[in-house]
Amino acid sequence: EVQLLESGGGLVQPGGSLRLSCAASGFPFISYAMTWVRQAPGKGLEWVSSVSGGVGTTYYADSVKGRFTISRDNSKSTLYLQMSSLRAEDSALYYCARQLSVGTTTRALLGYWGQGNLVTVSS
Amino acid sequence: DIVMTQSPDSLAVSLGERATINCKSSQTILYSSNSKNHLAWYQHKPGQPPKLLIYWASTRESGVPDRFSGSGSGTDFTLTISSLQAEDVAVYYCQQYYTTPPWTFGQGTKVEIK
Repeated sequence: EVQLLESGGGLVQPGGSLRLSCAASGFPFISYAMTWVRQAPGKGLEWVSSVSGGVGTTYYADSVKGRFTISRDNSKSTLYLQMSSLRAEDSALYYCARQLSVGTTTRALLGYWGQGNLVTVSS
Repeated sequence: DIVMTQSPDSLAVSLGERATINCKSSQTILYSSNSKNHLAWYQHKPGQPPKLLIYWASTRESGVPDRFSGSGSGTDFTLTISSLQAEDVAVYYCQQYYTTPPWTFGQGTKVEIK
């Protein structure tokens, strides 16, 4: 059974940093592209960042480029999102998600999702 | 960037009636190399993560009831719930997963019971 368990969220001051983790199990982690999606309070879903399986090519939304870094540790089956220079508008529930099936044309087709991890940026 | 626009923003449908949600992309998401539309539909209920319903515009994910169907091609797509059930109350999102990022979602459509 595919499981994705996020951790690392919490309250942080504007300008601060936070690292989210997503521990994966139930599948060969190295083979699958992984993605972070967020939902701000009262808003819709927003794609944040993805990392491909294998060589780990990274992709970012313009809203986080230069501030967030996605990475993966295949030996630990864990996905990370390092967030820095945080702003109030980064406050959201952050979901970790896995592509539905292996393939380069479906990197962001999200078949499995974690429960989400809340990040609040406030002074 | 490809912009995804859903309509309506919300709709109220009687139990057992049909619900139709539209999604329009700002450019085609029909990929010539595989002749597939890179369009997915997700259902999002409060307190739960989003759930994949439909991909390749019309392929139902395993375990999804057959009252859910997707159609369309190119830039115009539709999600239909043929007979609305109480458990279908949710926000529905379309998303394009075309060749290069950003991979964008529509703004969401809230479905309620009339």
